[in-house]
Amino acid sequence: EVQLLESGGGLVQPGGSLRLSCAASGFTFSSCVMSWVRQAPGKGLEWVSRISGSGYDTNYSDSVKGRFTISRDNSKSTLYLQMNSLRDEDTARYYCVKEGDVGWFDPWGQGTLVTVSA
Amino acid sequence: QLVLTQSPSASASLGASVKLTCTLSSGHSSYAIAWHQQQPEKGPRYLMKLNSDGSHTKGDGIPDRFSGSSSGAERSLIISGLQSEDEADYYCQTWGSGIRLFGGGTRLTVL
Repeated sequence: EVQLLESGGGLVQPGGSLRLSCAASGFTFSSCVMSWVRQAPGKGLEWVSRISGSGYDTNYSDSVKGRFTISRDNSKSTLYLQMNSLRDEDTARYYCVKEGDVGWFDPWGQGTLVTVSA
Repeated sequence: QLVLTQSPSASASLGASVKLTCTLSSGHSSYAIAWHQQQPEKGPRYLMKLNSDGSHTKGDGIPDRFSGSSSGAERSLIISGLQSEDEADYYCQTWGSGIRLFGGGTRLTVL
C-alpha cells in the first residue's frame, strides 16, 4: 500500500523558514515524480512544486519561486520542501503527492499545517 | 494560457445523477485531466484520469457510480445514484511541461 506521511508543519513568523518532510513507502520512490500541493484555509487546491525521480528536474509555481526549494533523498524515500521568506499568504495545509505516469496526483498524503503569523 | 474552469457549486437529490464539468482553456482541448474529491474535513482523494476521447482510469476502490465523459474542451464527472457521502468538493487537475494546475473546484450538495 502506498503511504505518504508529511511532517514539519507548525507556527512560524513572517520572514521565517520551515522545512517540510514527506516519508514515502509502498512503491519505488526513486522512479516517481513527486509534488507538493497546498490548500489555504477555506480555499481551493494550489500546486506548489514538482521534482523528477532523479531530483535533477524541478519546477515551481510563480507564487513560491525563489523562496521555496523542493528536494528528495531517494536513499531515505523522503521528499522535502524548504520554505524561506515565509509570508502570511503561505498559511495552508501542505500535501505531498505522488504523480502518475504523466502528471496526475495519486495518492495524497494527509497533509501538514503551516501557519505564518506574528 | 492553460486554465481550468469549474462552476463553484452544484446540487442534486439523493439517489439522482449529477454531471460536474471542467472546461479547458482555448487551444488546450486535447489535454487529459484528473478528478479529485475532497470530503468535508478530509484530504483530497484521486477519482480518475479522464482523456480527451472520454476513456478514463479510476483510482483504487472508486465505485462504479463515478464515471467520466469528454466533449471538445469539456471534461465531465458523472455521479449516479447519489449518496450522502458524495457531498464534497470536486477539483479537476491537469498538467503540462513543468506545470500542474487545478480548477477552482465545485462544491456538490446532496439534497
